[in-house]
Amino acid sequence: SAVISQKPSRDICQRGTSLTIQCQVDSQVTMMFWYRQQPGQSLTLIATANQGSEATYESGFVIDKFPISRPNLTFSTLTVSNMSPEDSSIYLCSPGGETEAFFGQGTRLTVV
Amino acid sequence: AQSVTQLDSHVSVSEGTPVLLRCNYSSSYSPSLFWYVQHPNKGLQLLLKYTSAATLVKGINGFEAEFKKSETSFHLTKPSAHMSDAAEYFCVVSPHRSGNTPLVFGKGTRLSVIA
Repeated sequence: SAVISQKPSRDICQRGTSLTIQCQVDSQVTMMFWYRQQPGQSLTLIATANQGSEATYESGFVIDKFPISRPNLTFSTLTVSNMSPEDSSIYLCSPGGETEAFFGQGTRLTVV
Repeated sequence: AQSVTQLDSHVSVSEGTPVLLRCNYSSSYSPSLFWYVQHPNKGLQLLLKYTSAATLVKGINGFEAEFKKSETSFHLTKPSAHMSDAAEYFCVVSPHRSGNTPLVFGKGTRLSVIA
């Protein structure tokens, strides 16, 4: 199984600010997936990040709001920009490939 | 397109009785299928995973699921519910067994266990 570390584990942020979430995997993976889990809901895919290329965003998510970096095969960041209370959610990263199906503990974000 | 339907949003059972959480999937390819559990204010925990081996998959904590291609189902069962099983359960499909496609989550089934 993969070990996935996400930071921060939780944060309370002021509206209008930005938060960058880090995801570190203990092995090299081609794909990194970022998901959002709104309160009481299931997980929704935000974007797919491939090392060396721009992330691919799902309908309803845009790069200006959720910029993603993927500098190497073990690391990725997701930024939640210009936050509003509607962005309060759990954000999770998950690697693809042989380490598929494993998630970090997530980042619980509350925007006030 | 791939999709997952969890047929019950809420299931309530008595402690010691069997658990059945139903899941149907739609996939254009030979999928991988998963069940996850999420306890309140906790992260996702993988219960079990089906790839292409045995159709009856055994997971942790006494759970198992059977892949039935003809019925496009992957129902989760447990012979005897325990109070600690109360949680949210997600059925998930991965369209390709390569693992390089994102997971598609069902809406979840909340399991309540009554003493």
